[in-house]
Amino acid sequence: GNSVTQMEGPVTLSEEAFLTINCTYTATGYPSLFWYVQYPGEGLQLLLKATKADDKGSNKGFEATYRKETTSFHLEKGSVQVSDSAVYFCALANAGGTSYGKLTFGQGTILTVHP
Amino acid sequence: SAVISQKPSRDICQRGTSLTIQCQVDSQVTMMFWYRQQPGQSLTLIATANQGSEATYESGFVIDKFPISRPNLTFSTLTVSNMSPEDSSIYLCSVANLPGQGNTEAFFGQGTRLTVV
Repeated sequence: GNSVTQMEGPVTLSEEAFLTINCTYTATGYPSLFWYVQYPGEGLQLLLKATKADDKGSNKGFEATYRKETTSFHLEKGSVQVSDSAVYFCALANAGGTSYGKLTFGQGTILTVHP
Repeated sequence: SAVISQKPSRDICQRGTSLTIQCQVDSQVTMMFWYRQQPGQSLTLIATANQGSEATYESGFVIDKFPISRPNLTFSTLTVSNMSPEDSSIYLCSVANLPGQGNTEAFFGQGTRLTVV
């Protein structure tokens, strides 16, 4: 079956530091890949997505590239801010599915950014 | 996007009782889902709520424990039955495939934080 593995957390950084959160997956076919973010006290929000190999998703300074050869979708940001403190989830949806709603999530990575 | 309202936002319940969680969407949607997020863990799909028919449950989840209703395209309920402390989790409603937008990503409600004592 499908699975998603994220780097162990929590991750603590100083403001303006470079961020990488690793994500690798196991799936049949060519899944669509997502990063969701959960800010303190809020619901889950889509941060970015990529639906085919070599696609790069980007939003709010965050980027992730769909690497089929390494089955990875690492999240990066060049300069983090305190407001980026949140829990980040990598997720995939089955290839060929009729909906992106049936998601398999990674375990989540807690990011804390200090001033 | 879609606006998803869940009720209640949180509750503390006695073991052996049941709680029904409501999910209301501001537009008609094809696909609705229920997820569980156990403390310190990731989200796990419980079931797909099908309009007009029985829900489709994922492995490890059964209808007797988590009955789901979906009477129309904007509303669904999830009941957590005969609760035990192990059911303490955040339960989230999710929708996808918004009307006129094809295969869209999933949107989530704020979640219902359930504590069973």
